[in-house]
Amino acid sequence: RKEVEQDPGPFNVPEGATVAFNCTYSNSASQSFFWYRQDCRKEPKLLMSVYSSGNEDGRFTAQLNRASQYISLLIRDSKLSDSATYLCVVNSPSGGSYIPTFGRGTSLIVHP
Amino acid sequence: NAGVMQNPRHLVRRRGQEARLRCSPMKGHSHVYWYRQLPEEGLKFMVYLQKENIIDESGMPKERFSAEFPKEGPSILRIQQVVRGDSAAYFCASSPSAGEVTEAFFGQGTRLTVV
Repeated sequence: RKEVEQDPGPFNVPEGATVAFNCTYSNSASQSFFWYRQDCRKEPKLLMSVYSSGNEDGRFTAQLNRASQYISLLIRDSKLSDSATYLCVVNSPSGGSYIPTFGRGTSLIVHP
Repeated sequence: NAGVMQNPRHLVRRRGQEARLRCSPMKGHSHVYWYRQLPEEGLKFMVYLQKENIIDESGMPKERFSAEFPKEGPSILRIQQVVRGDSAAYFCASSPSAGEVTEAFFGQGTRLTVV
């Protein structure tokens, strides 16, 4: 079983649509959670941290359910520029340290 | 305030040669992580280093791969006797403290092609 699992997609949506991505993680001792965005052949960039109470940043809303070990990202009013791969990242314990552990990513394509 | 710097951006090596990838973390960051990304795949953790110490190398192949982060200078990921399967994007990330609660900042990556 992979540590961090995501549906690879692609999710193909029209501009203005609302789209939601899900992610599950296997290690209940994981401490911190993030969504990163990766554009084609570029480096991952932090989109937002994910807090237990849920948090919002403009059109983006992230939720964390520790009991179910589940993380989500909601994008409202999709823009063409939102097209990218969205990476779920979990800081997982490993031998006394915490390692940012990546899901495979979910591909989003927003079309006109 | 420069971000994480990786060089070279692109590296071509023939089978059997050595590849050296360099990573300079952000100023004030003393924690470095190396990841490998194959085409159409996610980022796979390789190694976590602090200055002069390897903290976790559970993702490193047992042979041909090594990493260091000396007291002075950049972190180096070295691949000896490269094979075609080593062709990938190698990303380095840094953070200011232990990874429990902090996010990692990424360099632009080195794309290694083995011919």
